[in-house]
Amino acid sequence: EIVLTQSPGTLSLSPGERATLSCRASQSVTSNYLAWYQRRPGQAPRLLIYGASTRATGIPDRFSGSGSGTDFTLTISRLEPEDFAVYFCQQYGRSASSFGQGTNLEIK
Amino acid sequence: QVQLVQSGAEVKKPGASVKVSCKTSGYTFSTYNMHWVRQAPGQGLEWMGMINPSGAGTTYAQKFQGRVTMTRDTSTSTVYMDLSSLISEDTAVYYCARGLWTWLLDYWGQGTLVTVSS
Repeated sequence: EIVLTQSPGTLSLSPGERATLSCRASQSVTSNYLAWYQRRPGQAPRLLIYGASTRATGIPDRFSGSGSGTDFTLTISRLEPEDFAVYFCQQYGRSASSFGQGTNLEIK
Repeated sequence: QVQLVQSGAEVKKPGASVKVSCKTSGYTFSTYNMHWVRQAPGQGLEWMGMINPSGAGTTYAQKFQGRVTMTRDTSTSTVYMDLSSLISEDTAVYYCARGLWTWLLDYWGQGTLVTVSS
């Protein structure tokens, strides 16, 4: 099983700042099948990014994903108040899937 | 729009079973697999299994084999997840999520808290 390690565990930033979240895999992710999700308190998780860098339908362009192989990054260019949430990554290869532990993005 | 609405919170005693429902709307029910994922307190997300609503075929994570049953009702576009022989470690929020492709999950339910306590 591929183990995904997210860092940092908690990130404290202010609205308007840039956020950089990391997801590192224990082995190479097949075809960059790496997704990012957002979970706001009390809400259903939302798919943000898939294929490491493709934004899902309706996701603002301040969200971007990058990386390949074992190192992936989610960047939020300018934080809006509604962006403070938990973010988790997932690898969804053809034969298995696993999730990261999550990064809690909190208001500083 | 696509919606997945789950049943309410449950409190169960050890050894009991729980059945969580996930009612779907806004898309053709039979077209997409439905997955179940859970998150225990302080833990990461854990994939439990999936069901193909078209033929009712299921795939379960090895950890839950023999304890989990996923079913569907095509007349109400609802899927169900039944977990038996509950232990305290099954205390978690359980999510249903639509499978866009393999394990890529594009829409999620709001989550159902299941508490196992004597």
